[in-house]
Amino acid sequence: QKEVEQNSGPLSVPEGAIASLNCTYSDRVSQSFFWYRQYSGKSPELIMSIYSNGDKEDGRFTAQLNKASQYVSLLIRDSQPSDSATYLCAVNKGGGSYIPTFGRGTSLIVHP
Amino acid sequence: SAVISQKPSRDICQRGTSLTIQCQVDSQVTMMFWYRQQPGQSLTLIATANQGSEATYESGFVIDKFPISRPNLTFSTLTVSNMSPEDSSIYLCSVEDGRSYNEQFFGPGTRLTVL
Repeated sequence: QKEVEQNSGPLSVPEGAIASLNCTYSDRVSQSFFWYRQYSGKSPELIMSIYSNGDKEDGRFTAQLNKASQYVSLLIRDSQPSDSATYLCAVNKGGGSYIPTFGRGTSLIVHP
Repeated sequence: SAVISQKPSRDICQRGTSLTIQCQVDSQVTMMFWYRQQPGQSLTLIATANQGSEATYESGFVIDKFPISRPNLTFSTLTVSNMSPEDSSIYLCSVEDGRSYNEQFFGPGTRLTVL
């Protein structure tokens, strides 16, 4: 079982819709969770971090964490074509580890 | 967040040669990391570079192939030695700037092609 799993997609949504991106992880002691956006040919850009169960909202983005079920998700409201990118989920193990494990990413396509 | 630059942004190299990639940060950071991202793949950590100590390499990566220097708190280099076409990849440095728990910020990357 991979440590951090994401559906590679592509996930295609119409402009204005809600895009839902999901990530599961295998290590129950994981403590820190991140979503990165990576445009083609560019480096990853941190868009959300979440550390506690529940929802965390930042503008059009909402991260959701459920440690009991070991999943973290990212919702993008009012999706725009400029949101088209690959979204990487990253998870830090517990025990003071500062090194994240990255998933392979989900490709999101927002079509006009 | 910290502003990170990398040089070169891209290079095409011959088999058997070496390339040194530089990473410069606009503020002092304790933790610097080097990643590799092969086409269509996710990020693979090569090593962690802390100032004043030897780099810590991940499984599958060795110092002879990927020597790293970290002479101060704002700069690091990664050398890809004795290159082969399998080393063609994007190499990224990242930092944890200490202001946000465990958050990493990436440089723009170096796209390496080995012929």
